[in-house]
Amino acid sequence: AQTVTQSQPEMSVQEAETVTLSCTYDTSESNYYLFWYKQPPSRQMILVIRQEAYKQQNATENRFSVNFQKAAKSFSLKISDSQLGDTAMYFCALRTSGTYKYIFGTGTRLKVLA
Amino acid sequence: SQTIHQWPATLVQPVGSPLSLECTVEGTSNPNLYWYRQAAGRGLQLLFYSVGIGQISSEVPQNLSASRPQDRQFILSSKKLLLSDSGFYLCAWGKGTSSTDTQYFGPGTRLTVL
Repeated sequence: AQTVTQSQPEMSVQEAETVTLSCTYDTSESNYYLFWYKQPPSRQMILVIRQEAYKQQNATENRFSVNFQKAAKSFSLKISDSQLGDTAMYFCALRTSGTYKYIFGTGTRLKVLA
Repeated sequence: SQTIHQWPATLVQPVGSPLSLECTVEGTSNPNLYWYRQAAGRGLQLLFYSVGIGQISSEVPQNLSASRPQDRQFILSSKKLLLSDSGFYLCAWGKGTSSTDTQYFGPGTRLTVL
């Protein structure tokens, strides 16, 4: 069975600083996809970034980047130049190729401080 | 561009009453559709998904059911609500095969069962 673990329930960061959110996962499949979603206070889930397991290059989307360590089954999210609007719950998710089932972690609540 | 709608946004229902939540996607055809439930302070639990009209896969057997009467419409129903059905219900859409699908979420419905 696949699992996704986010070991940091809450984090805070000063505005303009950099923060890294951790995510580890477990799967026996070789081909899979990893995602980070953001859920602001409005509660609508927003896709932040996506990574294909077969790609060695880490995905980047503006101020958001990932550190994908396949052997360690680690998929951390780095937010650079944090902004107040980054305050949200962040969820890591895994989907193995051949299925439509997304497995979500329990989330990390990030607060950006002014 | 694609848009996903959910209604109602908020619902308060008595125990034992029926439920119907609706999700509609615009701007695409034959989307993959998903229903999730998010309990307070928790991650997302996949309830149902559909990769085509009339095709429904159930992940959590309970007193909920789903239907897809039209290509871009996904409905979540219950004949008799339980207190434990309270939560935040999210609909999501994706596109393509199990190798290319990426989920995009609607604004959600907050359901309170009293």
